[in-house]
Order: sequence, then C-alpha cells, then structure tokens
Amino acid sequence: GQNIDQPTEMTATEGAIVQINCTYQTSGFNGLFWYQQHAGEAPTFLSYNVLDGLEEKGRFSSFLSRSKGYSYLLLKELQMKDSASYLCAVSFTGGGNKLTFGTGTQLKVEL
Amino acid sequence: KAGVTQTPRYLIKTRGQQVTLSCSPISGHRSVSWYQQTPGQGLQFLFEYFSETQRNKGNFPGRFSGRQFSNSRSEMNVSTLELGDSALYLCASSWGTSGMRDEQFFGPGTRLTVL
Repeated sequence: GQNIDQPTEMTATEGAIVQINCTYQTSGFNGLFWYQQHAGEAPTFLSYNVLDGLEEKGRFSSFLSRSKGYSYLLLKELQMKDSASYLCAVSFTGGGNKLTFGTGTQLKVEL
Repeated sequence: KAGVTQTPRYLIKTRGQQVTLSCSPISGHRSVSWYQQTPGQGLQFLFEYFSETQRNKGNFPGRFSGRQFSNSRSEMNVSTLELGDSALYLCASSWGTSGMRDEQFFGPGTRLTVL
C-alpha cells in the first residue's frame, strides 16, 4: 500500500522548536506536501518538496530524503496559534493530483 | 481572488437518502478533487475531475459519484446514505498540471451527518 506514517500527537512549549516526522513508501514517489489544519477549518498549504534537502519558509522548514522515504516539518519559535493538525501528503506517479494523506499530527503548543 | 467555495456547509440526512454537494473552484483552476475526512481515517481521496472528465478515483463504493461542469464547478453525489458516511467532505482545486508541483487549495468543507 501507500501508507503515510506520522505521529498522532505532539506537545511543545511556546518559543521552542518542534520537528514532525513523516515516512512514506518510496516506490512511485512524485512529491510531498505539508498542510496545516486548524480545528473546524480547511487544510492550508505549508510546503512542497520534490528534491532532497531543506526548503525554508519563515518559521517553517521542510526536509525531504527521497532515498529514505522520509520528511520532516520543522516549526521554530512556536506560537500558540501553531496549535493545529499537521498533515503530510504524498503524490505518487500515475495518480494525477491524488494526494495520499497521513492521519495528521495534532500539535499542542503550551505556555 | 476568491477561494474555493462549498455548499452547503452543513447537512443532516437520514440513512437511505441521497445527497449532492457542490464545489466552486478558484477561477482558472480546472482540477477539482474530493476528499472525505473522518477522525479515524483522516483525509481519503474520493476522485478528481479535470476538464469535465474523471481523471482519478479512490477506493470508495459506487454510491459515491461526481461530475464536473464546463465552468469547472463540481458536484459529488452519495446515494443510499449509511451512518458511516458521516464526515467532512472537502474539495480542493488546482490548475491541474499533473506530475508537477500543483498546490491544491481546499474549500471549507461540507459537514455531513447521517442519522
């Protein structure tokens, strides 16, 4: 199958750094997306990785290793508003725009 | 520009009924994908429409169907509703450049409750 695995829950402190990991099946890999979803709202796009390496965008960075089937989302200088679900999604070749999502990591930021 | 809109936002139906959900993509986007989101299964892909044709299909029973109109608006239909169909149904629109970075923009979703 095309399982996408990520931790279910994480807790971190305001101002800290947190890393959310995601692993996926490497066969047919096309690209990897990270989305943020606040409770009761639509997912919003955070980042896209297709090549190995780190993509930085403000407080958020995303890393990809294609050979290891591994990605992480790094959130720096955490703020209370970062409390949300973070979704890792992969597109596979031949799937068009179909995204296969992990079940999401619920991040709770505490004081 | 206006985002993805979905109607209705909330819907309550009973088992055995059928329902039609609507999605209007961002202007210029030609691809519309539908997803079902439940607490236990997360986001699961239903189907994608591009230029009025179904381009991809997920692993859902035939009770779930969809279509796309010439203006790229899309509808999905669920017939003979079951309790397990209670979920948030999200649509996402994009340019449709399959195989390349093609960010999908999600609508607010339709919350369907089946009693």
